[in-house]
Amino acid sequence: EIVLTQSPATLSVSPGESATLSCRASQSIRSDLAWYQQKPGQAPRLLINGASTRATNIPARFSGSGAGTEFTLTISSLQSEDFAVYFCQHYSSWPPMYTFGPGTKLESK
Amino acid sequence: QVQLVQSGAEVKKPGSSVKVSCKASGGTFSTYVINWVRQAPGQGLEWMGGIIPKFNTPKYAQMFQGRVTITAEDSTSTVEMELSSLRPDDTAVYYCARPISASYFNDGFDIWGQGTLVTVSS
Repeated sequence: EIVLTQSPATLSVSPGESATLSCRASQSIRSDLAWYQQKPGQAPRLLINGASTRATNIPARFSGSGAGTEFTLTISSLQSEDFAVYFCQHYSSWPPMYTFGPGTKLESK
Repeated sequence: QVQLVQSGAEVKKPGSSVKVSCKASGGTFSTYVINWVRQAPGQGLEWMGGIIPKFNTPKYAQMFQGRVTITAEDSTSTVEMELSSLRPDDTAVYYCARPISASYFNDGFDIWGQGTLVTVSS
């Protein structure tokens, strides 16, 4: 079973700066990875699909990269509304299942 | 645009069962995998299972096998998730979610229900 590890657990960044979040898979998952943002009391919001494709209406300051076992979510020029928890997710058609990483909390410095 | 609307909050006793519903409106429903994801207070996201209403063949996460049942009623665009033998650590917000495309387990979830809080307490 594939395990996703996210680092760091908490990231403190100043508004206007960039943030780089990491997601590592225990074995190759090609580009079958999504990224989500979640704010308190809200459902997760899809940011990135297929490791690097922005979802509908997601600002260009969010970008995803990577393939295989190493993935990165980069948020440039951080806005106040970007401070939230971010999860990565692997989707697998065989065996059919979804796996989430433990999350990274992005907080304002 | 599809919306997923879930049933309301529940309070249950340990050992009992809970059933949460998710009703779709405004778009295609029957050919997409409708999934259930839960989140305990202050914790991460756990995928529980999913079903394609048209085929009614659920897939379950191993950790919930034997305790969760997901069913679909295509005629009413409704999916239900029943979790049995409830424990206090099943206290969580339960979400239904639909992926971007009808491609089988091949996309992230771009549509989510509002979440249903299930509290398990004696």
